[in-house]
Order: sequence, then C-alpha cells, then structure tokens
Amino acid sequence: GPKVLQIPSHQIIDMGQMVTLNCDPVSNHLYFYWYKQILGQQMEFLVNFYNGKVMEKSKLFKDQFSVERPDGSYFTLKIQPTALEDSAVYFCASSGTGGASAETLYFGSGTRLTVL
Amino acid sequence: QQKVQQSPESLIVPEGAMTSLNCTFSDSASQYFAWYRQHSGKAPKALMSIFSNGEKEEGRFTIHLNKASLHFSLHIRDSQPSDSALYLCATNTGYQNFYFGKGTSLTVIP
Repeated sequence: GPKVLQIPSHQIIDMGQMVTLNCDPVSNHLYFYWYKQILGQQMEFLVNFYNGKVMEKSKLFKDQFSVERPDGSYFTLKIQPTALEDSAVYFCASSGTGGASAETLYFGSGTRLTVL
Repeated sequence: QQKVQQSPESLIVPEGAMTSLNCTFSDSASQYFAWYRQHSGKAPKALMSIFSNGEKEEGRFTIHLNKASLHFSLHIRDSQPSDSALYLCATNTGYQNFYFGKGTSLTVIP
C-alpha cells in the first residue's frame, strides 16, 4: 500500500539545538500532518499543511516549531531551539487527493526524538 | 478543540471472544469516524471508517456510529492473538483535521 517515509528513525540532540525531522509523503497526497506521541500517552495533533500553508495548528505547536515543504522536497518539522519536553515520537502522515470528504491518514513509522 | 475519549484503557480477552471498544467525541459537526491500529513501535494503520449513522462490517470487524450520542465503537468478532495492539479512534473537526483518542490496549490471550 501507500507508504510514508520518515528520516531519521532516531535522533538524539542536546537541549537548545535545532533539529529537522523529514517526511516523504505518499506521492499524490495533498495534505500533510505532524503528530506527537509521548510513550504511553495520546497521539497529539500538531499541525496540518496544504498547498504550501499551515491550515490548522494545535497549542502544542509552539513558536519554536515550523513546517515547510519546498517543491519536490521533504515535508519537514523544524524545532529551534529544542527543549526537554520535546522528547517524543513524531509521526508524519499524509492524506487526500482532493476529494470532497475526509480521507484516510497514512502514517510513517515515526522519528524518535530524544532531547538531552 | 475536539475532545476524543476512549474506553476501556486496556482490555484482555481470550482468543475467540468478541471485543468491543468505545469512542466518544465532543464536536457534533464531526463527519468522519475511523479506527486505527498501532502495533508496538510501528506506525498507526487505518482499519476502517464510517461517515453516516449505522454500522459497517468488514470481515471480523464492525464499526457502529451514533452521531446523536457522540459515540462510535469497534467490535471484533472471534478475536485473535494477532489482533493484540493499541486501537486508536479518530474523528475530524474540519475537512482534513483529525484528532485521536488515547487508545485502548488490547491483548488477546491464546
């Protein structure tokens, strides 16, 4: 089936550093998402992105977070600077080929981010 | 913001049993209702979805939706050990904005 690729699978960085999480969505999808999941807790919506713009973001999407997808490139989540509470698994997802109703999300396998 | 709650938090059933998982949501304008399954350390994967009141069956899995009660459920007939996973319910607020519950951890004992 359709696959979403996330790179890297693990990332360890020091607090205060910048980190970029990369996502290669399903090729014909138009909507892209980031979700955050702390071990044993709920998967929380961060942001969704369509047509080059952030459509909706949650209160977890702090000012230190940004997303972009330059043409033909990865959909990225950048955190600058990182904080200890940013440690989590970040899932990228994509959906939507332009239909009239909500469509299935396809998730990547996640990037486990550890901030020391 | 949409609130999505699941019950129970965890469930242990014997192989062959019927399993029932519940999900409530807060936004009456929600239009899309889905169940995802996440095996440990893996990506969540869509199981099935429904848009209108009633039920939908796919193999051993049935989804029920009651919009007036702000509730939908997943029923697994003849549960198998391979069904053991975290089950996440999801619904939307807008066209493509999806919120997930915390999940129900299902263990099926052989």
